[in-house]
Amino acid sequence: KAGVTQTPRYLIKTRGQQVTLSCSPISGHRSVSWYQQTPGQGLQFLFEYFSETQRNKGNFPGRFSGRQFSNSRSEMNVSTLELGDSALYLCASSNGERGIGETQYFGPGTRLLVL
Amino acid sequence: QKEVEQNSGPLSVPEGAIASLNCTYSDRGSQSFFWYRQYSGKSPELIMSIYSNGDKEDGRFTAQLNKASQYVSLLIRDSQPSDSATYLCAVRDGGSQGNLIFGKGTKLSVKP
Repeated sequence: KAGVTQTPRYLIKTRGQQVTLSCSPISGHRSVSWYQQTPGQGLQFLFEYFSETQRNKGNFPGRFSGRQFSNSRSEMNVSTLELGDSALYLCASSNGERGIGETQYFGPGTRLLVL
Repeated sequence: QKEVEQNSGPLSVPEGAIASLNCTYSDRGSQSFFWYRQYSGKSPELIMSIYSNGDKEDGRFTAQLNKASQYVSLLIRDSQPSDSATYLCAVRDGGSQGNLIFGKGTKLSVKP
């Protein structure tokens, strides 16, 4: 099975712009979770989408949003970029069934630099 | 707020030694625990999962879980320089949210 894919892998934007990142989960997985990773804060949960619905949300401002399509691919959008949004953005896919063994597998990430 | 705590390190061990990585968590309702390895500049890669009290072995890796003490550990036997990475402990929220909560990771350095 192909793994989780993310595009683009690298992005450079300027403050005030917006950005859209894409994630394709492992075939058959219905849940996509998004994380922001920075050196100071570690891995922080943004949100989770399951069957095209946001099922769970972390503590991030409304500038961060996402959606999921019927084929389980997901996008996240960050509007009005700030310097502090520079980070590695990771998505992880899982079957989403919330069984005790549900396991998340990460994509390669998108590294965003905001200038 | 539910938390997962790890010693940030760096933990330095000589090649061939046992590396011991520790993690404590605050949510008594958590049932699923994971260890991920992350090389510099790469994404986290799952090493092991553990759900029951006791030990679980997979090759050179052993995960240990003690729910009463809210403690998870990872032992790496016969450590190799290629094991040098940051190890992330993740705990699934035991409440209705169900998302993974990550520690900030322990950086391991294995010296030849």
